[in-house]
Amino acid sequence: DAGVIQSPRHEVTEMGQEVTLRCKPISGHNSLFWYRQTMMRGLELLIYFNNNVPIDDSGMPEDRFSAKMPNASFSTLKIQPSEPRDSAVYFCASSPRTSPDEQYFGPGTRLTVT
Amino acid sequence: ILNVEQSPQSLHVQEGDSTNFTCSFPSSNFYALHWYRWETAKSPEALFVMTLNGDEKKKGRISATLNTKEGYSYLYIKGSQPEDSATYLCAFDEGSGNTGKLIFGQGTTLQVKP
Repeated sequence: DAGVIQSPRHEVTEMGQEVTLRCKPISGHNSLFWYRQTMMRGLELLIYFNNNVPIDDSGMPEDRFSAKMPNASFSTLKIQPSEPRDSAVYFCASSPRTSPDEQYFGPGTRLTVT
Repeated sequence: ILNVEQSPQSLHVQEGDSTNFTCSFPSSNFYALHWYRWETAKSPEALFVMTLNGDEKKKGRISATLNTKEGYSYLYIKGSQPEDSATYLCAFDEGSGNTGKLIFGQGTTLQVKP
């Protein structure tokens, strides 16, 4: 298995632009998580899905952030409009949810907003 | 708000030293406790998933213990090597809705000097 796939690996954009991060979970996993890593706050959960349904988005910082999971093999995290303080590494992770189970992390997307 | 605390925040040891660090978590609604290893510029990788009070897990020179009644887990590294240098994260799973949501601690960053 290729593991969790994220794209792009690096994104540099200007303030105000729309940014879309993509994630392909491991086939057969039915839970998907979006995390953000910053120096100040460490690894924080933004939103997670179970069977493609958003379960908890309380970690999403603002309305500028949105996430979708249209099918079991694809999810997006969108920031519109982006701001410099959104600069971080964004990780996607998936889990088979056989209880209890570990999460498998993707390589992350390093976002820089100038 | 669930709090997962790790200590120390960082640790510098000499090659060959043995070391340990702590994760404390809520003692109620316990479902599982996870340990992850996170090397710089990579993504977190699961080390252990622990579910039972008194559990002890071992992988090579790394081992972990679990006390669910008092809400703590220790991670031990015997004879540290430079390749053990990483951030070690623990994560609390309360089994919320059976979706696999984890609450991560801030991590302990270990630096092993040759």
